[in-house]
Amino acid sequence: GAGVSQSPSNKVTEKGKDVELRCDPISGHTALYWYRQSLGQGLEFLIYFQGNSAPDKSGLPSDRFSAERTGGSVSTLTIQRTQQEDSAVYLCASSPGTSGSGMDTQYFGPGTRLTVL
Amino acid sequence: KNEVEQSPQNLTAQEGEFITINCSYSVGISALHWLQQHPGGGIVSLFMLSSGKKKHGRLIATINIQEKHSSLHITASHPRDSAVYICAVSSLRGSRLTFGEGTQLTVNP
Repeated sequence: GAGVSQSPSNKVTEKGKDVELRCDPISGHTALYWYRQSLGQGLEFLIYFQGNSAPDKSGLPSDRFSAERTGGSVSTLTIQRTQQEDSAVYLCASSPGTSGSGMDTQYFGPGTRLTVL
Repeated sequence: KNEVEQSPQNLTAQEGEFITINCSYSVGISALHWLQQHPGGGIVSLFMLSSGKKKHGRLIATINIQEKHSSLHITASHPRDSAVYICAVSSLRGSRLTFGEGTQLTVNP
């Protein structure tokens, strides 16, 4: 079946512009995660959605970052007034969300490479 | 100090060698994950474990909960195993992953 998909695969934008990154999780997966991988650095958590619960936004680095998940499926990560330090690969992952806290395998999308000039 | 520490950061091996990558963590966890990231960026989950040992083909993952330590072993390594291997933990607070810095493995023919 289809895996996690993300679009666009690459995005180049100018400093100060807003960008939207999209994630389509695996059908039926109730849990969805956004992570960021900056050049030469490890992965870091951004935000987590589980079903209809309030999202865990504790990883968002600033109030310029926000995310929505509509209808329990597709998610959009929005970065407003982009800065050069926002340049990174943004990865989305989904999991079934059925086995309780932390016990699900996460399936990663291919990522969106964001470059802020 | 990072919550998840991996060693070594870089590892070069000859084809056929037995490889071990180590991961230590300092927080309570519900599960530990080993991930593989190939050039080009795609991340694949190799193992998720909360106790004991798991084996898949030439890959073996072990975890010692008391010592807060896990190892990933690759037997009979092959150049196609060349990738970044990442240890990550799910905390007791929820499913979000906290990642180690990764181990860059290069297997030469």
